[in-house]
Amino acid sequence: TQLLEQSPQFLSIQEGENLTVYCNSSSVFSSLQWYRQEPGEGPVLLVTVVTGGEVKKLKRLTFQFGDARKDSSLHITAAQPGDTGLYLCAGVAYYGGSQGNLIFGKGTKLSVKP
Amino acid sequence: NAGVTQTPKFQVLKTGQSMTLQCAQDMNHEYMSWYRQDPGMGLRLIHYSVGAGITDQGEVPNGYNVSRSTTEDFPLRLLSAAPSQTSVYFCASSRGAHNSPLHFGNGTRLTVT
Repeated sequence: TQLLEQSPQFLSIQEGENLTVYCNSSSVFSSLQWYRQEPGEGPVLLVTVVTGGEVKKLKRLTFQFGDARKDSSLHITAAQPGDTGLYLCAGVAYYGGSQGNLIFGKGTKLSVKP
Repeated sequence: NAGVTQTPKFQVLKTGQSMTLQCAQDMNHEYMSWYRQDPGMGLRLIHYSVGAGITDQGEVPNGYNVSRSTTEDFPLRLLSAAPSQTSVYFCASSRGAHNSPLHFGNGTRLTVT
């Protein structure tokens, strides 16, 4: 079974702090997506990383895809209360030479206190 | 554009009752899917469809049926609800399968007593 493991599961920090969330697997992924979900709503796509070693920036958020395309990280600089939410990574693994369905990690629940 | 619309937003069922969760999208997306989200389990794929008339099972299909008679609609049917089906259900659509980003509805919170 393909697995995407996210860490940490929970993170509570003060406004202004930096943080990193990790998404790891033993499988190779054709791409990885990051979503943010707020209470009572569906996940919303933040970014897709496709190339091994790729780095993408979205304002204070920096996303990186591992060189071997098995892992990804999300770094937030100077976190703000508006960053609070559930961060999910998702990807499609190569499975026996073909691609499987999109699978999700269990998420990192981030709380940023003012 | 409304995007992906799910109804109802909340539902309470008794064990053994049946119901249909509705999902509609107005983006002309070929790919639609249903996920359930449970605490500590993440999002798990129930069923998906790559186009009208085509459906397939995901990771946790048991107890659920789907059909795709039009591009826009992808209803999820619970034939005989069980307490284990208490969850938040999300419908999603995308332009293509696999790597295309998903557009999610706002979910249906279902409680089975």
